[in-house]
Amino acid sequence: GESVGLHLPTLSVQEGDNSIINCAYSNSASDYFIWYKQESGKGPQFIIDIRSNMDKRQGQRVTVLLNKTVKHLSLQIAATQPGDSAVYFCAEIGKNAGGTSYGKLTFGQGTILTVHP
Amino acid sequence: DTAVSQTPKYLVTQMGNDKSIKCEQNLGHDTMYWYKQDSKKFLKIMFSYNNKELIINETVPNRFSPKSPDKAHLNLHINSLELGDSAVYFCAAGGDRGSPLHFGNGTRLTVT
Repeated sequence: GESVGLHLPTLSVQEGDNSIINCAYSNSASDYFIWYKQESGKGPQFIIDIRSNMDKRQGQRVTVLLNKTVKHLSLQIAATQPGDSAVYFCAEIGKNAGGTSYGKLTFGQGTILTVHP
Repeated sequence: DTAVSQTPKYLVTQMGNDKSIKCEQNLGHDTMYWYKQDSKKFLKIMFSYNNKELIINETVPNRFSPKSPDKAHLNLHINSLELGDSAVYFCAAGGDRGSPLHFGNGTRLTVT
């Protein structure tokens, strides 16, 4: 069945370091991937997305890498700050059977990122 | 303006009661969702509505009944609440034509 998982449930880094959060997915039909950040008491917040026709996409301090060969997704955060401390989720979504619209968004387990000053 | 807003933020109730959670979005998306987040932070889809029509129903007990009066609103009614219903429930909107979902800040339901 479809599943999206994470290798590490927790990640602890020093302020200023770069962080890398990894994610593995099993559905080869997935063609759209999203990273979300969830802070305590809040809903998941969109960070960055990538489609399956790309292998890298950059945002402000964040980069997402997609390796379709091994079904692996990663989120890199440059110069990590204490405000980056949160739970990070990867999620995938693919087209429905008709191929004309997108189906449900499936979330991975989540990684807790803690940034120490 | 809050893009996806849900009320109440906290809901404490006793077993057997019936309760509702409301959700509204001002993003203009056709599709809205309800997700449940358990104590281990796992997020699982429950329902999805597209333009007031149910399109996803993920083996959720019949005690849960979503209602969409218009495409900007998706409410969740829960009958005969059970202890296992305690969780955080998130409303979301988006996903149209491959766009990301935008989530509300959640409703923490505690059943005692």
